[in-house]
Amino acid sequence: QKEVEQNSGPLSVPEGAIASLNCTYSDRGSQSFFWYRQYSGKSPELIMFIYSNGDKEDGRFTAQLNKASQYVSLLIRDSQPSDSATYLCAVPTGANSKLTFGKGITLSVRP
Amino acid sequence: KAGVTQTPRYLIKTRGQQVTLSCSPISGHRSVSWYQQTPGQGLQFLFEYFSETQRNKGNFPGRFSGRQFSNSRSEMNVSTLELGDSALYLCASSLGTVKLETQYFGPGTRLLVL
Repeated sequence: QKEVEQNSGPLSVPEGAIASLNCTYSDRGSQSFFWYRQYSGKSPELIMFIYSNGDKEDGRFTAQLNKASQYVSLLIRDSQPSDSATYLCAVPTGANSKLTFGKGITLSVRP
Repeated sequence: KAGVTQTPRYLIKTRGQQVTLSCSPISGHRSVSWYQQTPGQGLQFLFEYFSETQRNKGNFPGRFSGRQFSNSRSEMNVSTLELGDSALYLCASSLGTVKLETQYFGPGTRLLVL
C-alpha cells in the first residue's frame, strides 16, 4: 500500500455544490496532514493543515481527520469555478521536512 | 516578504548532459527541500538541505545531487540526463526548526530532456 493514496477522481461538481476530496494514509504514527492546491502550470500552494482528530474550518474549506480510520478529507462548500484545480494531500514522513504526497485529485467546478 | 524563487524557469537539454537548478528560499528560512513532479509519479521528494547539510534524502539515483550555501540558497544538479528526467522540479522552503511547519513552494523549473 502506498503511503498516501488519493484514489477518487477526477471530480466534477456544479457551481455552488459541496466538493469532497479524500485521502488515506498508511502510517498510523502520522501526526499532521496538509492539503495543497495546484492550478495547472503552477506550483502547489497550501490551503490547510490539520493535526487533531475532528474538523478544522477555514472559510469555505473544512479539513476532517479521522486517525482511527486513517483518512483525511477536504470539503469545499459553495464550490466556485476558481476552485478548479488539482488538490494534493501531503503527510510528513520521517523527518519534518520530507512530505509524501498523494497523486492528487483534479476537481472541475462547472458554471 | 518575497517568496521562493527558482531559476531558470524553463530548460531544454539533451540526453547525457548535466543541469544545475537554483532555488532562493524565503528570507529567514534555512530549510530547502527539492521535489520532482511528473504526470506518472506525482510529486516525489528528492532531498532536503538545512544549514548547508543534507538532512533528508529520497529514493533517487546518485545522479541527483544538491548543495546549500551559507545564505540558504540551494542548487540541485542532475548529471547524465535521461529522457525520464523530464519533469517539473520544485523547491520548497521552511524555517526548518519548527514541528508541523509549512513548506512554501517556488514556481518550479520545467526541464525537458530530448
